[in-house]
Amino acid sequence: DVKVTQSSRYLVKRTGEKVFLECVQDMDHENMFWYRQDPGLGLRLIYFSYDVKMKEKGDIPEGYSVSREKKERFSLILESASTNQTSMYLCASSLTDTLNTEAFFGQGTRLTVV
Amino acid sequence: KNQVEQSPQSLIILEGKNCTLQCNYTVSPFSNLRWYKQDTGRGPVSLTIMTFSENTKSNGRYTATLDADTKQSSLHITASQLSDSASYICVVRVNAGNNRKLIWGLGTSLAVNP
Repeated sequence: DVKVTQSSRYLVKRTGEKVFLECVQDMDHENMFWYRQDPGLGLRLIYFSYDVKMKEKGDIPEGYSVSREKKERFSLILESASTNQTSMYLCASSLTDTLNTEAFFGQGTRLTVV
Repeated sequence: KNQVEQSPQSLIILEGKNCTLQCNYTVSPFSNLRWYKQDTGRGPVSLTIMTFSENTKSNGRYTATLDADTKQSSLHITASQLSDSASYICVVRVNAGNNRKLIWGLGTSLAVNP
């Protein structure tokens, strides 16, 4: 079974802190994604990566950056956390970018910025 | 504008009853449509994928339909169980050259009561 593991289930951080969310997948998938999920807004794509050291902006990249130094690991970085970044963050991976490929999600990290 | 709308927003049913969730989309060009189940506090898990040529597909007690002409999909749950309580999210894939994107619905929250 594919496993996508996010380093934390719950995080509480202070405004202005630099926050790192880590995601690891164990199935040698090429593509990795970071989403945030908010009530009434659904899932929104922050960044994705289709190869090591490659990244592309999603729909809401402002205030975030990412790092993919190894194929299995994709990190989301909040440069200076703000209260409007309080959200559920979901990491996902998929084997390729072909049409019917399935994205597998981690269990999510609920981040609260105070 | 590419949009995916789901109805109802929430639904409460008794254990053992059937229900149908709806997904309407205005996405072009359409590539495929996938239904995810998301348990509370967890990441989404794929239930089924529908491509343009498919009308009906079953996965155990879940049956998805697709009408590409009217741009509607439904997810029918038969003989509901308490474990079916979750959010069900419809996502449609756009694929046009370099524009490969997922359009997410907001989900239907289903509660199955004993």
